Formats: sequence, C-alpha cells, structure tokens
Amino acid sequence: IAGITQAPTSQILAAGRRMTLRCTQDMRHNAMYWYRQDLGLGLRLIHYSNTAGTTGKGEVPDGYSVSRANTDDFPLTLASAVPSQTSVYFCASSIVPGNQPQHFGDGTRLSIL
Amino acid sequence: DQQVKQNSPSLSVQEGRISILNCDYTNSMFDYFLWYKKYPAEGPTFLISISSIKDKNEDGRFTVFLNKSAKHLSLHIVPSQPGDSAVYFCAASGGGADGLTFGKGTHLIIQP
Repeated sequence: IAGITQAPTSQILAAGRRMTLRCTQDMRHNAMYWYRQDLGLGLRLIHYSNTAGTTGKGEVPDGYSVSRANTDDFPLTLASAVPSQTSVYFCASSIVPGNQPQHFGDGTRLSIL
Repeated sequence: DQQVKQNSPSLSVQEGRISILNCDYTNSMFDYFLWYKKYPAEGPTFLISISSIKDKNEDGRFTVFLNKSAKHLSLHIVPSQPGDSAVYFCAASGGGADGLTFGKGTHLIIQP
C-alpha cells in the first residue's frame, strides 16, 4: 500500500531555477493539498485541489503553481526559486474536500541556495 | 495572527502516565478538529478527530476533548508509551477555508 508518494525526497537548488515537486496518490482521493513546514512553525497550506481539473490558493500561494490534470497527480512548481522557499514540502489527500482526515506523504526537503 | 495555538513547545511525561496535549483556537467557524503525530523525516500521521457536535471522541489509548465555549481541545494519551515520543500537531478546518490550519506542534518526550 503506497498511499502518497512524493519525489524527490530532497533537493538542493540554485536560486532562480525552476523546480517541480511531484506527488502521486493511489487511493483515488478526490482532494489533494500542498503544505510547507518551516522550523518552529506548523504546516501552512500553499495550494489545494478539490477534484481533478480544479485548483485553489491556500494561505501562502505566492511563487508556487499547481495543476491537477488527473485524480492521482498533483505537482507543485516553483517557477523561479528563492531562498525563502527553503522548506519541507508535504503533499496530502483526502477522500473528499472539507471535514475529513488528510493523509500525508513523507515530504520533500528543499534547499534553495 | 495564529488561529490554532499550541502553547507548549515540549512536554515530558513518564512512561505509563497520562500525557495531555493542549490546543486553543480563535476562529469560531472551525467545526472539525484533528490531531496528527509526526516522527522526524516522515509525514504527519492522522491520529484522531472530533466534530464540533461532540465533546469527546475516544480511540484506544487516545481521547480528544473539545470545549467549544472555551475554544479549547486536548489530546489525552493513557498510558503513555515510548513510541509515543513525537511531535503532535493540532489542526482545524471549517469556516469556508479549504485545507487544514495547523498549530506549531508540541514535542512529546516519554521518559522510561
């Protein structure tokens, strides 16, 4: 049982470069989410998708974009990375949007130099 | 402004005793609350949740209590075990916002 798979596990990236973090789920969940976790802070929502073909902005969307072409995949793209985007990124999914438990991947640790 | 607050960054409890983790929230539109457990280098793992129509939910050693008038919830773990040592996050949803709003977490340390 894979659940949510995130890739890469970690990455060091030069500022200004473009980077796509991958997220795939095999649970046929309708809703998917991207969060970032910074030292001393809880997880903060970047973008979400309630169903394939739709996306929405979370608390901290600036500098990030997402797409949801199908149910299983929800990639997060940094068009031009900046050092403040150094963080651990978690992808999550839930059966439906709203008041449901979300299930998380193991994260991507991203360092922007 | 933090809408979900966990005011204790860390908590140390002896093995076999009760662990009580606390969480306060400010947004009265939140109507669903969750607790997650997180080990280093892993994603958060869902533990237990509670809807605002209830004041208690129990699952094995884990019980969550909700006091809506005080905007406060707590997670009780009894008895505490060494494997419970982790960071615990309180989260909330509702109020028209998609996704979860998380607290900063409490690092629980179970001492032998």
